[in-house]
Amino acid sequence: ETGVTQTPRHLVMGMTNKKSLKCEQHLGHNAMYWYKQSAKKPLELMFVYNFKEQTENNSVPSRFSPECPNSSHLFLHLHTLQPEDSALYLCASSSLDTDTQYFGPGTRLTVL
Amino acid sequence: QQQVKQSPQSLIVQKGGISIINCAYENTAFDYFPWYQQFPGKGPALLIAIRPDVSEKKEGRFTISFNKSAKQFSLHIMDSQPGDSATYFCAASRAGNNRKLIWGLGTSLAVNP
Repeated sequence: ETGVTQTPRHLVMGMTNKKSLKCEQHLGHNAMYWYKQSAKKPLELMFVYNFKEQTENNSVPSRFSPECPNSSHLFLHLHTLQPEDSALYLCASSSLDTDTQYFGPGTRLTVL
Repeated sequence: QQQVKQSPQSLIVQKGGISIINCAYENTAFDYFPWYQQFPGKGPALLIAIRPDVSEKKEGRFTISFNKSAKQFSLHIMDSQPGDSATYFCAASRAGNNRKLIWGLGTSLAVNP
């Protein structure tokens, strides 16, 4: 695997389910990001991790819970979601000494 | 408050034509201006980026023009090809802010054969 991978690619869940999104980067980067992409809206930065430490939480509801066990892996734990949380969730990574963010293909989430 | 305004929302260009997408920003502290390209089913990928110390940057058929005084920058795609059909996002960031990218709304480009 190269670049940034995300699993699953598609996820349908009910409002009472608990699921997790996984992201893995194979680029040796030390910063990782979760974004939410919805139609007609700019990409919304949700969380930033630098060297496994969370450095940004953009007022994200607690039903989204990130986890970064090491610099290569990032998870987004989901529980009690709402239909308006349906979106494409993108993971990205970067090196702290450059500005370029590398994105995974995203997880298309549908909340019923 | 949208800090980066992108236009047009959608664009249709004939093959071989020039595609032009514009962005305007408000925060004069921004010092990095990338353009990302996103194909369906893929995440955004960096296409080209510029810093405010130059007014233009060219990479192949893609050129960024930057106007610091007007707080505007634009992407020009020369000799547009059907394979360029994608959504294009401009963004901006500044040092010391987690390098947080502020994104435009995106432009859906369709290049007709």
